[in-house]
Amino acid sequence: GNSVTQMEGPVTLSEEAFLTINCTYTATGYPSLFWYVQYPGEGLQLLLKATKADDKGSNKGFEATYRKETTSFHLEKGSVQVSDSAVYFCALISQAGTALIFGKGTTLSVSS
Amino acid sequence: GAVVSQHPSRVICKSGTSVKIECRSLDFQATTMFWYRQFPKQSLMLMATSNEGSKATYEQGVEKDKFLINHASLTLSTLTVTSAHPEDSSFYICSARDLDRGNTEAFFGQGTRLTVV
Repeated sequence: GNSVTQMEGPVTLSEEAFLTINCTYTATGYPSLFWYVQYPGEGLQLLLKATKADDKGSNKGFEATYRKETTSFHLEKGSVQVSDSAVYFCALISQAGTALIFGKGTTLSVSS
Repeated sequence: GAVVSQHPSRVICKSGTSVKIECRSLDFQATTMFWYRQFPKQSLMLMATSNEGSKATYEQGVEKDKFLINHASLTLSTLTVTSAHPEDSSFYICSARDLDRGNTEAFFGQGTRLTVV
């Protein structure tokens, strides 16, 4: 079946450090891939997405590239800020599916 | 992006009572809505998928008689937790997509923190 695996956290970084959160997926066909962010006590917000292989999604300094060959969609940011502290979820919608399938989430904590 | 409004954001209820959570798409027609449950420090578990005008499709292990879902219009879905118990305390999140437009993005409500005492 379809699934998403992302690195376990928590990830603790200092401000301005480089961030990578790994995400790999298992799916048939060509899923669409997403990163969502959840701030404490809030719902989910779409951070970025990619709908086909080699697409790069980007937003607010975050980037992720859809790699079909490695079935990966790693999230990166060159310089994190304290305000980036949140839980990040990698997710996919399969070609045939309707609901998002989420990874377990990675908690990022950035200190000044 | 589109806006999904979920209400209430927090609710505390007594054990044995029922609680209704509303999910509204404010600026688009949501042909399909999804209800998720999130346990502390865990991912979102899909509970059910609801399509406007038809019965919801529940995921395995989710009690449909306990978690009643109604999607009566293209802009409103409701989740009713019936005869709530403390183990039902959780964070419930709704999501909506406009599949008729081929839109792959899902929009999320703000979530509802349910505490059953």
